[in-house]
Amino acid sequence: EAQVTQNPRYLITVTGKKLTVTCSQNMNHEYMSWYRQDPGLGLRQIYYSMNVEVTDKGDVPEGYKVSRKEKRNFPLILESPSPNQTSLYFCASSTGTSGNNEQFFGPGTRLTVL
Amino acid sequence: QQPVQSPQAVILREGEDAVINCSSSKALYSVHWYRQKHGEAPVFLMILLKGGEQKGHEKISASFNEKKQQSSLYLTASQLSYSGTYFCGAIQGAQKLVFGQGTRLTINP
Repeated sequence: EAQVTQNPRYLITVTGKKLTVTCSQNMNHEYMSWYRQDPGLGLRQIYYSMNVEVTDKGDVPEGYKVSRKEKRNFPLILESPSPNQTSLYFCASSTGTSGNNEQFFGPGTRLTVL
Repeated sequence: QQPVQSPQAVILREGEDAVINCSSSKALYSVHWYRQKHGEAPVFLMILLKGGEQKGHEKISASFNEKKQQSSLYLTASQLSYSGTYFCGAIQGAQKLVFGQGTRLTINP
């Protein structure tokens, strides 16, 4: 089944404790991205990647890191999480190297930072 | 800068029509529409490209006016399954996809 998977689905952590949210897709998509969703603000892009080893900042990159060492994986790293990073996070992938194609979203990761 | 959607929320009875608008202060080259049901991930509905082409998905259609930098999503004879939050998205630069804040649609029997 073609899909985007994220792990973990739910995470409660404390301020300053480094964490990684994994994202993997099995559709051979070039483009991958991370979004955070907060009430009233919609989906805001954190980082995107056009292909392996090619990443760029979205609208809200502060406090996040990403890497794209393999085509299928695009982990999101929070080096020192803070309470304002409490949010619902979605990973997405699409064909092509731009964001201008149908985005396939993962199931989401709900993160709480205490 | 995020596209602006209106209205922010709308409540309908089953069978009624709805229009959701999306506008941008920046030039629009294409517009995406997605629907997100409560507790689920957003799901793609359609993309509209420059040229004003109107595309449809079941009884959901959309238009795109590049000159006005606006797009509208039309839901005809709404069904209970149409409930959810609708997002428009716009490409900025070559690769960045920016979404609006969403419009919550509630369909009552």
